[in-house]
Amino acid sequence: AQSVTQLGSHVSVSEGALVLLRCNYSSSVPPYLFWYVQYPNQGLQLLLKYTTGATLVKGINGFEAEFKKSETSFHLTKPSAHMSDAAEYFCAVSGTGTASKLTFGTGTRLQVTL
Amino acid sequence: NAGVTQTPKFQVLKTGQSMTLQCAQDMNHEYMSWYRQDPGMGLRLIHYSVGAGITDQGEVPNGYNVSRSTTEDFPLRLLSAAPSQTSVYFCASSSLLAGGLDEQFFGPGTRLTVL
Repeated sequence: AQSVTQLGSHVSVSEGALVLLRCNYSSSVPPYLFWYVQYPNQGLQLLLKYTTGATLVKGINGFEAEFKKSETSFHLTKPSAHMSDAAEYFCAVSGTGTASKLTFGTGTRLQVTL
Repeated sequence: NAGVTQTPKFQVLKTGQSMTLQCAQDMNHEYMSWYRQDPGMGLRLIHYSVGAGITDQGEVPNGYNVSRSTTEDFPLRLLSAAPSQTSVYFCASSSLLAGGLDEQFFGPGTRLTVL
């Protein structure tokens, strides 16, 4: 079975400050990992993904995440927050094979203040 | 390409009524799925399909049925609506990779209220 834990349901940062959203996963097989963003009253869109290869992945809007197998983590970072980053962020893990399922964390709501 | 489309956008039902949420994708994706989103619980998988004629249960399947007669369509049926099914429902599709699922493309969601 696979699972995702997102530490902190709400995170508040000042505009221009570092954004760090934490994600730890559990998987019995090498995982595929994803970060999605959801703006109010919208569906989810992909920020970035890790499947294989380079463990530091870059996504849209200046976000990046690093896959650390030893720590079973996939934390999301952005060097400088912008007001437009305020949204809910979801980490997700996918297993392998044609019966793969995508398991989501419970989400972290990011607030950006002036 | 329209991507993933869902209808209706909003729906109000009375307890015991049935209805079908429609989902279609035009990206020729093998994998389609339905999630429900409730505050503080993230997205929970209801049912999924890896191809036409193949469906399976997710984390919270009770009270819902699905079928996949074509690659494009994956309707979700509520058999007898209950207030606990009040939620926002998202349909998603993706390609299947050897090591897992590729990026999921999400529909805009259906906001369902059961009175």
